[in-house]
Amino acid sequence: DQQVKQNSPSLSVQEGRISILNCDYTNSMFDYFLWYKKYPAEGPTFLISISSIKDKNEDGRFTVFLNKSAKHLSLHIVPSQPGDSAVYFCAAESMTTGTASKLTFGTGTRLQVTL
Amino acid sequence: EPEVTQTPSHQVTQMGQEVILRCVPISNHLYFYWYRQILGQKVEFLVSFYNNEISEKSEIFDDQFSVERPDGSNFTLKIRSTKLEDSAMYFCASCDNTGETQYFGPGTRLLVL
Repeated sequence: DQQVKQNSPSLSVQEGRISILNCDYTNSMFDYFLWYKKYPAEGPTFLISISSIKDKNEDGRFTVFLNKSAKHLSLHIVPSQPGDSAVYFCAAESMTTGTASKLTFGTGTRLQVTL
Repeated sequence: EPEVTQTPSHQVTQMGQEVILRCVPISNHLYFYWYRQILGQKVEFLVSFYNNEISEKSEIFDDQFSVERPDGSNFTLKIRSTKLEDSAMYFCASCDNTGETQYFGPGTRLLVL
């Protein structure tokens, strides 16, 4: 039951260009979305999040867009840097079910930023 | 910057043995979680813990698993009788009183032989 999907397993982008990572979800109860970055043999590192009451959240080079009607979100990284090369996970949770809500993760997209 | 820590970083055990994975959540956080990632698969929720009791657990979290917060800082995951399929990276996470953003530890790689 893939409630959170990342259909692109990998993405290669040139340094300085924009990276766009996509995520789709099926559960309409999800109301809070997060992006995590993960290096091999490390834990997921929180990048940016967005509540379902917003359609955009920006933090430096990272911007997350949410399209609730399409159940789609995307992470934009601009400009992309070689240090951004990692696996990016989209995660979703339902805050309305109460606190301590679990995260449901996508399968991840491996981003490679080339020189 | 405060961070979640986990010990050990690696654990190798024989099938049927008990293992305890340890986590020190961020100090002012109230919600605690365990997740795991089997090699090549997605990160999966195991259990959440709040106010000294389990809030939610997944189907994976059967009677072989238990969690405990033995003191004010540690949060442990115990697997009583390990199986080969328990081999995975186990991640601890914690969250503050907003319940929004979970911060993850570096993980413990468990290998069951």
